Amino acid sequence: NAGVTQTPKFQVLKTGQSMTLQCAQDMNHNSMYWYRQDPGMGLRLIYYSASEGTTDKGEVPNGYNVSRLNKREFSLRLESAAPSQTSVYFCASIWGGVRETQYFGPGTRLLVL
Amino acid sequence: DQQVKQNSPSLSVQEGRISILNCDYTNSMFDYFLWYKKYPAEGPTFLISISSIKDKNEDGRFTVFLNKSAKHLSLHIVPSQPGDSAVYFCAASGNSGAGSYQLTFGKGTKLSVIP
Repeated sequence: NAGVTQTPKFQVLKTGQSMTLQCAQDMNHNSMYWYRQDPGMGLRLIYYSASEGTTDKGEVPNGYNVSRLNKREFSLRLESAAPSQTSVYFCASIWGGVRETQYFGPGTRLLVL
Repeated sequence: DQQVKQNSPSLSVQEGRISILNCDYTNSMFDYFLWYKKYPAEGPTFLISISSIKDKNEDGRFTVFLNKSAKHLSLHIVPSQPGDSAVYFCAASGNSGAGSYQLTFGKGTKLSVIP
């Protein structure tokens, strides 16, 4: 039981390049989330998927797109990376609502030059 | 505007003493509060939570207190251990609409427990 896994662990991009961050969970959770963490800023929600087939914007969705590929997988895409998207990205999942324990992945460290 | 505030970026405590981490919120729609703990290079992990119908919740060495009138909650760790050294995030959720699906996090407080 791996929990929440994220790939890659670390990535360097040049401005304007695109990439997809992958997230998968094996806990049969319904809801999945993408956060970014910046120094001194806490965790900010980018997008979430309350259930398979649905996605919604969070606090900071600009510059990102998401796909809930199936119940297990939730990907985050940067179409044209900008230095402001340098951050640590965390994926998380919950079986039901946010009042339950949210399980986080280990994070993807992204540097945009 | 920050809806969940952790005004102390860092806190140092001697091993064995009490650690008190504070959190304030501004949104009256928040009715469920959680604390997450994060070690470097790892994802956050759930620590303890409290519903607005309670004013205290205890789990071993960890106790969360909620003062609804002051819109303030605190996390007490007694006794503090070196392994408690981490960043602690306060988070809140609402009870309706988009707020029931989202957590709003504070900026975190870095706790250092000195042996």
